[in-house]
Amino acid sequence: AQSVTQLGSHVSVSEGALVLLRCNYSSSVPPYLFWYVQYPNQGLQLLLKYTSAATLVKGINGFEAEFKKSETSFHLTKPSAHMSDAAEYFCAVSDRNTGFQKLVFGTGTRLLVSP
Amino acid sequence: GAGVSQSPSNKVTEKGKDVELRCDPISGHTALYWYRQRLGQGLEFLIYFQGNSAPDKSGLPSDRFSAERTGESVSTLTIQRTQQEDSAVYLCASSLGQVYNSPLHFGNGTRLTVT
Repeated sequence: AQSVTQLGSHVSVSEGALVLLRCNYSSSVPPYLFWYVQYPNQGLQLLLKYTSAATLVKGINGFEAEFKKSETSFHLTKPSAHMSDAAEYFCAVSDRNTGFQKLVFGTGTRLLVSP
Repeated sequence: GAGVSQSPSNKVTEKGKDVELRCDPISGHTALYWYRQRLGQGLEFLIYFQGNSAPDKSGLPSDRFSAERTGESVSTLTIQRTQQEDSAVYLCASSLGQVYNSPLHFGNGTRLTVT
């Protein structure tokens, strides 16, 4: 069965610092991979997704993630954090053969940004 | 336009009672999903509807759980004889279709507490 591990339930950074949120997956074949974000009092929204051969994926708000098959990782990064990036971030995986978005989510990482 | 709407936003019920949760997807979205998030855990897939096709119920945890959707509109998730372990946030999502190019749009969820 597929699974996703997000290291760190909370990550704290200063404004302007690098953001690194870690995600590792377990799957017998390379899956589709996603990052979703939930801002306070809002529903989850898609940040970026990996579904093709391009291993470096760019998303909204300056975020990007790199698929590394050898490390079974899909870490999320942003060069410079903004206060508005404070939110909860979820990594998710889906089997390519499922035919619909039956996602397996990690437990989430709350990003805290201090001035 | 309006996003995915879920009601009620909060529901407290006594163990053994039945509850019904409602989801209004984005107009025109043929795919509809139910997920739930129990405290400290990632989102779990429950059920998937695509147009008039038979739903994929593979994520429903027991026969106390059922869901209906009329055409491409409103969906209801029913939990019979609720148990304390059913306490969770129930999330509904919709998308334009089953392909991965169409992102999931999540509602704000219904927080269910079983006492």
